[in-house]
Amino acid sequence: GQNIDQPTEMTATEGAIVQINCTYQTSGFNGLFWYQQHAGEAPTFLSYNVLDGLEEKGRFSSFLSRSKGYSYLLLKELQMKDSASYLCAVRDLKGNNRLAFGKGNQVVVIP
Amino acid sequence: EAGVAQSPRYKIIEKRQSVAFWCNPISGHATLYWYQQILGQGPKLLIQFQNNGVVDDSQLPKDRFSAERLKGVDSTLKIQPAKLEDSAVYLCASSLDMGGNSPLHFGNGTRLTVT
Repeated sequence: GQNIDQPTEMTATEGAIVQINCTYQTSGFNGLFWYQQHAGEAPTFLSYNVLDGLEEKGRFSSFLSRSKGYSYLLLKELQMKDSASYLCAVRDLKGNNRLAFGKGNQVVVIP
Repeated sequence: EAGVAQSPRYKIIEKRQSVAFWCNPISGHATLYWYQQILGQGPKLLIQFQNNGVVDDSQLPKDRFSAERLKGVDSTLKIQPAKLEDSAVYLCASSLDMGGNSPLHFGNGTRLTVT
């Protein structure tokens, strides 16, 4: 099975940088995804990591350490529209390649 | 490209009634998923199809939930009879295939309220 842990909520100021952490335990790791979900809307894909290291995509970067079962999503130059829940999801090759989601981290951006 | 389409958008029923949700995935996507998202939680996989075959339904409460994808395209998810704890958003998603790096694309979901 998979066990995914994320902190629940954080508040940050517009223009700042925020780091959202995710730790996981899985027997057959096959990739980690980050999704953004605005209230009342569907999750939208942000990033994918399968090898150790940092993946950068504009203002968003995602890091993975497979040996530590750890990932983080870095949001730079925060904008008000970044207020959302950020979901970490892990694929388990031994579980039919199922994509299991954490509870999400609610980020509130204030002026 | 058109996204994942779901209907209805909202549904309110009484407990013990039946309800059905419909999903049309992105054209060409072989893999289709139904997730249940309870308020304040992350999505939980209910069932995963590859074309018209079930790949994973280990977390589907089969005594009351059923799903089908007969022609390998559209899918329906049914709850019969509904319980209060089934109140949630039901999200349909699709991906190109089951490969590790295939991201899931989600529909807007159906918000179910059971009273």
